[in-house]
Amino acid sequence: TQLLEQSPQFLSIQEGENLTVYCNSSSVFSSLQWYRQEPGEGPVLLVTVVTGGEVKKLKRLTFQFGDARKDSSLHITAAQPGDTGLYLCAGGDSWGKLQFGAGTQVVVTP
Amino acid sequence: DSGVTQTPKHLITATGQRVTLRCSPRSGDLSVYWYQQSLDQGLQFLIHYYNGEERAKGNILERFSAQQFPDLHSELNLSSLELGDSALYFCASSVTGQLSGEKLFFGSGTQLSVL
Repeated sequence: TQLLEQSPQFLSIQEGENLTVYCNSSSVFSSLQWYRQEPGEGPVLLVTVVTGGEVKKLKRLTFQFGDARKDSSLHITAAQPGDTGLYLCAGGDSWGKLQFGAGTQVVVTP
Repeated sequence: DSGVTQTPKHLITATGQRVTLRCSPRSGDLSVYWYQQSLDQGLQFLIHYYNGEERAKGNILERFSAQQFPDLHSELNLSSLELGDSALYFCASSVTGQLSGEKLFFGSGTQLSVL
């Protein structure tokens, strides 16, 4: 059972379009991280959010942490083929136990 | 390159066998985490070691065990293997493992196929 529910499971868009993926939980997390994973590789951290309502921007990526620290979203503006990958959210609720969502597979076609 | 080294990259074995996966963390990192990734279960947390001691356990089967050695490398032992154990096994490391939101650095994984 996944503590973190990600939606959608799969997203296919054209280059230049915008997209949003969501990460929801019934649990409160002290922090939430977003990772991107490419085939044959391990996940790579994109961002960590720790404060309810926090918004962080990383170039064309915007991350938001919900006020209640139970949910988060990742928005990509003007997606590029290089954004293709599996996007994973991960919640830390106690020391040493970082739980991941099932991921959203994003495919950006030229 | 994350700095985390996992060996072997691929492993093919038969049901009932025992295998050992190895992980070398980034230089200076004290914490090592093991995760199992399969298509139907996603990335599942197995176990976390900090400076040689077990700190947290997740969905790790009794047939599986791990340890972290004095030089901080870690091994994950999988025994009495079943077809369902086929998955990608990742090791990750972090500096302390004590801070919520601390960055984890993942290795490239070991692809285990049980035939």
